[in-house]
Amino acid sequence: EIVMTQSPATLSVSPGERATLSCRASQSVSSNLAWYQQKPGQAPRLLIYGASTRATGFPARFSGSGSGTEFTLTISSLQSEDFAVYYCQQYNNWWTFGQGTKVEIK
Amino acid sequence: QVQLVESGGGVVQPGRSLRVSCAASGFTFSSYAMHWVRQAPGKGLEWVAVISYDGSNKYYADSVKGRFTISRDISRNTLYLQMNSLRAEDTAVYYCAKDSSPGGGTTWFDYWGQGTLVTVSS
Repeated sequence: EIVMTQSPATLSVSPGERATLSCRASQSVSSNLAWYQQKPGQAPRLLIYGASTRATGFPARFSGSGSGTEFTLTISSLQSEDFAVYYCQQYNNWWTFGQGTKVEIK
Repeated sequence: QVQLVESGGGVVQPGRSLRVSCAASGFTFSSYAMHWVRQAPGKGLEWVAVISYDGSNKYYADSVKGRFTISRDISRNTLYLQMNSLRAEDTAVYYCAKDSSPGGGTTWFDYWGQGTLVTVSS
């Protein structure tokens, strides 16, 4: 099983600041990586797929990068609606999720 | 628009069974693989099971293999998860999710339902 490790567990950021979230795979997943956003009481929502392609409805301040085992989700200027939990998921070999990074207001 | 609506959750005693459903609309249900993903209270996401677009292939996480069965009814546009021999650690919100690629393959999940809570407790 491919283990996905996200860091940090919690990220405290002020509105308008930049947030950088990391996701590491225990073995290469090529670019077969997705990011999901989950707000309290809601289902996860697809944010990024193919490591760097933004899903419909998300603004350009969200960007994904990386390949192989190291991936990054960057939110360039946090808005109030961006405070949520973010999960990475590999789909190269079955499907596994990271444990999530909570982005909270500083 | 794509809609996935789960139902059937509730409180069940350990060792008993429960079936949850997911009604799909807004896309050609028979063309896409479908998944179940669960989330224990306050925890992260865990993939549970997948069924191919035509129902011919089914795969499960080790944690539920032999106890859970995924199925689909194309005529009703509905996905099911039959859960037997339930344990306290199966307590979670169960989400159905649509595979992004018609025909299958290992891909991401582009739409999720709102989830249904299953609580296993005596």
